[in-house]
Amino acid sequence: GDSVTQMEGPVTLSEEACLTINCTYTATGYPSLFWYVQYPGEGLQLLLKATKADDKGSNKGFEATYRKETTSFHLEKGSVQVSDSAVYFCALSGAGAQKLVFGQGTRLTINP
Amino acid sequence: GAVVSQHPSRVICKSGTSVKIECRSLDFQATTMFWYRQFPKKSLMLMATSNEGSKATYEQGVEKDKFLINHASLTLSTLTVTSAHPEDSSFYICSANRAGGRETQYFGPGTRLLVL
Repeated sequence: GDSVTQMEGPVTLSEEACLTINCTYTATGYPSLFWYVQYPGEGLQLLLKATKADDKGSNKGFEATYRKETTSFHLEKGSVQVSDSAVYFCALSGAGAQKLVFGQGTRLTINP
Repeated sequence: GAVVSQHPSRVICKSGTSVKIECRSLDFQATTMFWYRQFPKKSLMLMATSNEGSKATYEQGVEKDKFLINHASLTLSTLTVTSAHPEDSSFYICSANRAGGRETQYFGPGTRLLVL
């Protein structure tokens, strides 16, 4: 079945550092890919998404590119802030399907 | 827009009792709602998909008689944990797809259940 594998956490960085959280997937067909963020004490929020190969999703300085050749959707940000501290989930929904398959989540902590 | 609420946010109950959790889409109609369970430091596991006016579709390994789901209207779905036991303690999260929308799920803030 479909699956998502994320970089193991936790990840701790200093403010203004570069961030990459790796995400790879296994799916049949052409899934849509998502990054969700869960801030402390809150529910999941959609951060960005891409629905077809070579699409780039972006939001709040974060970017991820749908790479079909490497089945990857790595999350990147050039300069992180303390407020980016959260748990990040990579997810996919299969072609024609509504339900989401999540990765295990990566906890990110940014120190001032 | 696209706000999903859950009630209660936290509940503590005795073993053997039943607990109902509500999931509401506040500013949109949701033809489909999803119920997830999140274990500590683990990812979200889909429990069931709930469609308005029809029976829920449960994922493999989820006991439908233990986790009763009702989606009686386009804005409300409920999850009832029947005869709860300590191993049912978890964080339960719902999400909703906007009617006519595509793919994006909007998540509730979650309900923390502790069974003593």
